[in-house]
Amino acid sequence: NAGVTQTPKFRVLKTGQSMTLLCAQDMNHEYMYWYRQDPGMGLRLIHYSVGEGTTAKGEVPDGYNVSRLKKQNFLLGLESAAPSQTSVYFCASNGRLNSPLHFGNGTRLTVT
Amino acid sequence: GNSVTQMEGPVTLSEEAFLTINCTYTATGYPSLFWYVQYPGEGLQLLLKATKADDKGSNKGFEATYRKETTSFHLEKGSVQVSDSAVYFCALTDSGNTGKLIFGQGTTLQVKP
Repeated sequence: NAGVTQTPKFRVLKTGQSMTLLCAQDMNHEYMYWYRQDPGMGLRLIHYSVGEGTTAKGEVPDGYNVSRLKKQNFLLGLESAAPSQTSVYFCASNGRLNSPLHFGNGTRLTVT
Repeated sequence: GNSVTQMEGPVTLSEEAFLTINCTYTATGYPSLFWYVQYPGEGLQLLLKATKADDKGSNKGFEATYRKETTSFHLEKGSVQVSDSAVYFCALTDSGNTGKLIFGQGTTLQVKP
């Protein structure tokens, strides 16, 4: 039972570098989400997708892009990393509205 | 949009003490309410949920009741254990057909033997 898998688990970037975080789910869920977790701020939604080929902005989308080319994958990209993007990133999915989200174990990103 | 306010922590208790973590919300319509738990180094796990007014969610000795009249969903446990030490998040579904959850800021619970 893999559930939601995030790669990589850890990454250190220099300011200005780019990277892609990968999220894969094997539950055939329609809805997928990227959140960031920062101390004292809970989880804030970056982008989300309500189905293959669709994406939408969340609460804090600036500096990030996403793609959902396949139903099972949701990619989060940072084109030019900034220290303010140092955070723990969580991917989540669910199969229907008002149902609980299933979370991955997170990616800890540090931008120096 | 909908919002949730959670009791600030950290909360430090002795083993077998009674736990309450307060959660209140602002919402349009009839959101579903959730408590998630995050153990160190892990992702969030669903602890319990309630989908309509007066529903009581329960799991692993934890309980929370959906109170529409007070817009609250407080988490309680009668006797905490050291293994309950974690961060607890209250969340609710956002308005609109997106499945998004809005999270509180989290409450850190530390239980001492």
